[in-house]
Amino acid sequence: ILNVEQSPQSLHVQEGDSTNFTCSFPSSNFYALHWYRWETAKSPEALFVMTLNGDEKKKGRISATLNTKEGYSYLYIKGSQPEDSATYLCAFKTSYDKVIFGPGTSLSVIP
Amino acid sequence: DSGVTQTPKHLITATGQRVTLRCSPRSGDLSVYWYQQSLDQGLQFLIHYYNGEERAKGNILERFSAQQFPDLHSELNLSSLELGDSALYFCASSVASQVYEQYFGPGTRLTVT
Repeated sequence: ILNVEQSPQSLHVQEGDSTNFTCSFPSSNFYALHWYRWETAKSPEALFVMTLNGDEKKKGRISATLNTKEGYSYLYIKGSQPEDSATYLCAFKTSYDKVIFGPGTSLSVIP
Repeated sequence: DSGVTQTPKHLITATGQRVTLRCSPRSGDLSVYWYQQSLDQGLQFLIHYYNGEERAKGNILERFSAQQFPDLHSELNLSSLELGDSALYFCASSVASQVYEQYFGPGTRLTVT
């Protein structure tokens, strides 16, 4: 059974702090790794799609890295703001087209 | 607004009934994915269609079926509904395969009583 894990489960940081979370996935049958931002009462919003080992993506204060050989991806947020409060989901896409979501990391940024 | 539309927004029905959820992808997107989020579970992948053809199945029950029509909209049919089918059903679309970003619709909240 393929499993995607995310840690920590939840995180509370002060405004201005930088933070990071981890997504762990199977190192075999890798095709792509997606990161999403999911605010309460809204739909998941795509942040990054990562496909190559060593990939690094950046969007504003948010960046992500990928290590397909060891099966993990890190998401970094620099200088957290209250509007960054959300659940951050990763989704592992296999080479045979299945998608497995992690349980998410819930981030609360305290003003 | 992602450009993906889903109807209806809310649906309340009784056990044993059959419902159809509809999804219209963003203009130009060929892929449609269906996901289910139950109260006690995270997002679960149900099924993926690309340009009218089924590409992959996830945790989709045999009571559920889907199709993608020539105009690329998709429908998810849920039959013999059970209380446990109560969930938020999302569809998402992308240009092509999974290496592209997926854009999620607002979801359909299904309540089975």
